[in-house]
Amino acid sequence: DAKTTQPNSMESNEEEPVHLPCNHSTISGTDYIHWYRQLPSQGPEYVIHGLTSNVNNRMASLAIAEDRKSSTLILHRATLRDAAVYYCILRDEAEKLVFGKGMKLTVNP
Amino acid sequence: SAVISQKPSRDICQRGTSLTIQCQVDSQVTMMFWYRQQPGQSLTLIATANQGSEATYESGFVIDKFPISRPNLTFSTLTVSNMSPEDSSIYLCSVATDFVRGYTFGSGTRLTVV
Repeated sequence: DAKTTQPNSMESNEEEPVHLPCNHSTISGTDYIHWYRQLPSQGPEYVIHGLTSNVNNRMASLAIAEDRKSSTLILHRATLRDAAVYYCILRDEAEKLVFGKGMKLTVNP
Repeated sequence: SAVISQKPSRDICQRGTSLTIQCQVDSQVTMMFWYRQQPGQSLTLIATANQGSEATYESGFVIDKFPISRPNLTFSTLTVSNMSPEDSSIYLCSVATDFVRGYTFGSGTRLTVV
């Protein structure tokens, strides 16, 4: 069973910030929170990951709750190219990525 | 990050035959993974390809159906054996290059079994 829970879908408007939530209430102390996205007809693409502290990179920001049972991927300014399926994944000690159902993000022009 | 070349990009195969998919990485990597993505679905991990030892299969996947080779640190193959239409999927390989840059995925092999 997937260890994370995400909404099935979200919509946003172009050039506006988007907050993508993820619940992972059974997270263990050693699980890293990974986010990937999959554009149509492509393999998944790494977005960001973190353990406890909030993380920023050129693509997005990751806000992790203090109890680590939830996290939020933040796209600061959505573009049409950000329309994709987003996966929130817990990487386990075996270093495997086990994908859940993901969340489809639609960006409206 | 690593660059993955996956071949073939697509194929149409007859039921009962086998197809071998190749995954070539431009750098040495310790861990390689094979996934299946059925139409409209998420990715399902098939196995972890280990260099120098047998692959580690996930529940529901067996070596007889999905034999995997990993002859060195830059290459792996996945064979889909005795294919049926239910095997029609996209098959992807993935590598963990280093902790900072996350995992890289190939562009996938789109398999149709007729």
